[in-house]
Amino acid sequence: GAGVSQSPRYKVAKRGQDVALRCDPISGHVSLFWYQQALGQGPEFLTYFQNEAQLDKSGLPSDRFFAERPEGSVSTLKIQRTQQEDSAVYLCASSPSTRRGNEQFFGPGTRLTVL
Amino acid sequence: GENVEQHPSTLSVQEGDSAVIKCTYSDSASNYFPWYKQELGKRPQLIIDIRSNVGEKKDQRIAVTLNKTAKHFSLHITETQPEDSAVYFCAATESKSTFGDGTTLTVKP
Repeated sequence: GAGVSQSPRYKVAKRGQDVALRCDPISGHVSLFWYQQALGQGPEFLTYFQNEAQLDKSGLPSDRFFAERPEGSVSTLKIQRTQQEDSAVYLCASSPSTRRGNEQFFGPGTRLTVL
Repeated sequence: GENVEQHPSTLSVQEGDSAVIKCTYSDSASNYFPWYKQELGKRPQLIIDIRSNVGEKKDQRIAVTLNKTAKHFSLHITETQPEDSAVYFCAATESKSTFGDGTTLTVKP
């Protein structure tokens, strides 16, 4: 079956532009996570959804970052007024369970470059 | 919040040797500890995981051990092969995952 997909795979934005990154989780997966991975580092948690409910957004770096999952499936991560420090790979992961601590399946990521 | 430290940051071994990567975590509520392999430009791929009610798990050449009292867990790869070369990440998970900074493993033929 299809895995987690993300689009676009690459995005170049000028500083100050708004961007929207899309994640299509594995069908039926209840939990969805967004991570930010800077070059040479491990993924860092941004936010977590269970169905359409955003249960944890403690990792969002500023109020310029916003995520939604209105129908409990596809999710969008929006970054407003992008800054150079936002340049990173944004990874989405989904999990079939609401149980604490369960395998997450990662998408290929969106590489964002802010000029 | 959770803090995960991973060592070493780089590891170079000869083909056929063993490789060991160690991680420590701080939050005793973490109950799931996956290990991921990430090749350049690719997504993290789960290679093995362990839950807090288990001390050791093995899958062919890969094994993971967990010491919950000491809050540390380790990845062991035996009979390494050049295709094992990649960046390996540990993570400690309660509801969300906190990742280590990664270990770049190079296996020399």
